[in-house]
Amino acid sequence: DAGVIQSPRHEVTEMGQEVTLRCKPISGHDYLFWYRQTMMRGLELLIYFNNNVPIDDSGMPEDRFSAKMPNASFSTLKIQPSEPRDSAVYFCASSTLIRGNTEAFFGQGTRLTVV
Amino acid sequence: AQSVTQLGSHVSVSEGALVLLRCNYSSSVPPYLFWYVQYPNQGLQLLLKYTTGATLVKGINGFEAEFKKSETSFHLTKPSAHMSDAAEYFCAVTGSYIPTFGRGTSLIVHP
Repeated sequence: DAGVIQSPRHEVTEMGQEVTLRCKPISGHDYLFWYRQTMMRGLELLIYFNNNVPIDDSGMPEDRFSAKMPNASFSTLKIQPSEPRDSAVYFCASSTLIRGNTEAFFGQGTRLTVV
Repeated sequence: AQSVTQLGSHVSVSEGALVLLRCNYSSSVPPYLFWYVQYPNQGLQLLLKYTTGATLVKGINGFEAEFKKSETSFHLTKPSAHMSDAAEYFCAVTGSYIPTFGRGTSLIVHP
């Protein structure tokens, strides 16, 4: 398996624009997580899905943030409108509990810069 | 509820010296514990994990960690640091299937 795939790797956008981050989890994994990493706050869990259903979005900072998982192989995190304080690295991770595997596998991240 | 505390945001060692990165956790259920490493501009990679069984866990690149329930600790060690070990290290706990991460410790290795 190619691992968790995120796109784009880098995104530079102007304040007020819509940004969409994409994630393809590892095939067969039934949990998908979106994290945000900043120097100030470290690694924060934004939202997670189980079997494509959003379970806990309490980490989503504002209504400007939304996430979807239309099928088992694709998820998006959207920010509309974007603001400079949204600049961060966004990670997608997936995992499964099958066969006792519990660790999360991370993508390479999307570095978002909002100017 | 679960949480992780990593003591020291930066640890500096000389090449060849012992590496010790500290992690304490809290969990309301028996935890699964992990150490991840992050190199610049990369995602997090699993170094090692504790689920059940032997409390001393060996991982990649010569790292190991010991689960001590009485101390609620899972410290990461390596006998001899190498320049290539310089990176950010994250401890994580999963008590309810959802990983919670510490703030990370930056390991600096001096020649």
